[in-house]
Formats: sequence, C-alpha cells, structure tokens
Amino acid sequence: GENVEQHPSTLSVQEGDSAVIKCTYSDSASNYFPWYKQELGKRPQLIIDIRSNVGEKKDQRIAVTLNKTAKHFSLHITETQPEDSAVYFCAASMGGGADGLTFGKGTHLIIQP
Amino acid sequence: NAGVTQTPKFQVLKTGQSMTLQCAQDMNHNSMYWYRQDPGMGLRLIYYSASEGTTDKGEVPNGYNVSRLNKREFSLRLESAAPSQTSVYFCASRTAPYGYTFGSGTRLTVV
Repeated sequence: GENVEQHPSTLSVQEGDSAVIKCTYSDSASNYFPWYKQELGKRPQLIIDIRSNVGEKKDQRIAVTLNKTAKHFSLHITETQPEDSAVYFCAASMGGGADGLTFGKGTHLIIQP
Repeated sequence: NAGVTQTPKFQVLKTGQSMTLQCAQDMNHNSMYWYRQDPGMGLRLIYYSASEGTTDKGEVPNGYNVSRLNKREFSLRLESAAPSQTSVYFCASRTAPYGYTFGSGTRLTVV
C-alpha cells in the first residue's frame, strides 16, 4: 500500500518568516494530495489540496507544489503568523480519494513571536 | 448544516466491553471513513465505505467492524475492547472531487 513520509516532525520559525514542510509518497498511482491543519484537541481541517495534473497551487499565504517524477510534494506558508501554530499533516490517495487517505505523521509548526 | 456528527465525544471502557461509535453526515456525501489517531502516528484508516452498501478494510481493521446503515450513517463497532484501541477516532465523509470533512472526534480510553 501507499506510504507517506513527512519532514520535519517539528519546525520552529520566527513570525513573518516562511515555513516549508515536505512529504514523499511511494505509490506512483496516487493522484490526490491534501494538506490538513490540526489544532490541539480539534479535528483536522483541509487547508489546500492538489491533484496530479497540476504542479503548483496557491491560496493567499499557502502554496503546495507537486513533483510527480520525484514523488514528493511540499507545503509553503509565507509571512507566518501566530495562528499558524498547529500540527500539519500531508496525505495521499489513489482514485481521487474515494478509497481513503494515507497520512504522514505530522509536523508540529511553532511560530516564535 | 451540521456537517459530520460523531457520538459520543468521550468514552471510557473496560477491557472486553463492546461499544459502537456513531457517525452521521448531512452533506449527501457518497463516501465515509473511520480513522484512528494515536500520538506520533498521524491518522490511520480503519474502514471505509466508498458508497452506500459497500465497506472495505483500511490499514488497521483488526478488532473493528463497521456498518453503512444508509447514505448518512456509518458506525464503527468494537466487539471486545483492548487497551491498544485507546485512541481518538475520527469519522470523515467526502464526495469526489472535493476534500474530506472530518467529525469532531471520539476520545476513547480502554482500561
């Protein structure tokens, strides 16, 4: 089955700086790659997703890039703010996602004031 | 519009007891999922139902059963709870090509 590796496990950045979280996946058939933000004690919330026919997608301060050849994708957050502090999960799925997501183990993003 | 509703929010079981976690969605989604989340492990798929009338095993199905009661409801049953099933359980639903919507979770402790 699919295996998703996520790095780093913890990332501390100064407020206003950029943060980058990277994920690799194993199954070349995967074609849907979402990113989730989870605050302590809350449910995961979708922040951005990308499909395999697209190399990059941007939504305000958040962007995701996908390299299908290398089987990796990354989350970029610019101009970080205190409210960006949370755990971020990447995930991958085949079949457009109907058969469920395989998640990375998460990155704890800490924004230092 | 409540989205995905899970009950109960918290539960403590004794080893060997059984219970059913309930999940309902009001978004007319076709697919529904059960995940468990353990510290440092991310979310792992237990079972899913791609459409009404079908269920399939995910990554960690042992010790669990599911029922897709109708399009809205997808329940997860623990027949004989074990301490290793202590976790936070999330239900989710989806209709492609849109993203998954998660419930607020059930925090289960097995003692």
